[in-house]
Amino acid sequence: GAVVSQHPSWVICKSGTSVKIECRSLDFQATTMFWYRQFPKQSLMLMATSNEGSKATYEQGVEKDKFLINHASLTLSTLTVTSAHPEDSSFYICSNDSPSDNEQFFGPGTRLTVL
Amino acid sequence: DAKTTQPPSMDCAEGRAANLPCNHSTISGNEYVYWYRQIHSQGPQYIIHGLKNNETNEMASLIITEDRKSSTLILPHATLRDTAVYYCIVMSSGTASKLTFGTGTRLQVTL
Repeated sequence: GAVVSQHPSWVICKSGTSVKIECRSLDFQATTMFWYRQFPKQSLMLMATSNEGSKATYEQGVEKDKFLINHASLTLSTLTVTSAHPEDSSFYICSNDSPSDNEQFFGPGTRLTVL
Repeated sequence: DAKTTQPPSMDCAEGRAANLPCNHSTISGNEYVYWYRQIHSQGPQYIIHGLKNNETNEMASLIITEDRKSSTLILPHATLRDTAVYYCIVMSSGTASKLTFGTGTRLQVTL
């Protein structure tokens, strides 16, 4: 199956700074990738759909100016959390869609802690 | 996407079969049943999916009732490494399909 990597695996930052998370589809060209967020003891919540070469589609309640998504190539999507605050501390996970297998492949996740 | 109902938690002894139920009474004709699992602090992992026939792969078996309103994921010989949260999701197949995760079932495999 497709392999998805994320970098960094964890990051600690100060409040007010911006953090960029990379999601790479290592062996599959992903036109579409998904970004999820997971708070402790909760389920995954879809934040946005990242589309290669066009604007991302955000879910209701997700601020597009705060969570900047760039999908400039078929193997890389980035999520930038701008002006991070402690309430943005969460586990961020990306996935790609594999049309041949009808399953999504998830990255290992990035744990963000904002102090 | 149709909603699913799963028990919040289950226990299973190592080596025994783990049977995880899922209700999806509002599933529509073109929606598949997908199962994913998430081991603590990792990304979800695909397990299996099916439409109406029972399915089996190297990880698990999926039994779907004839009316398709419920299904059961079977791990035939659970090991400690199968301890995870298991999510049952119904979704139309195809590209760029958004997964909607419910609360899942936390399976604890014990010695």
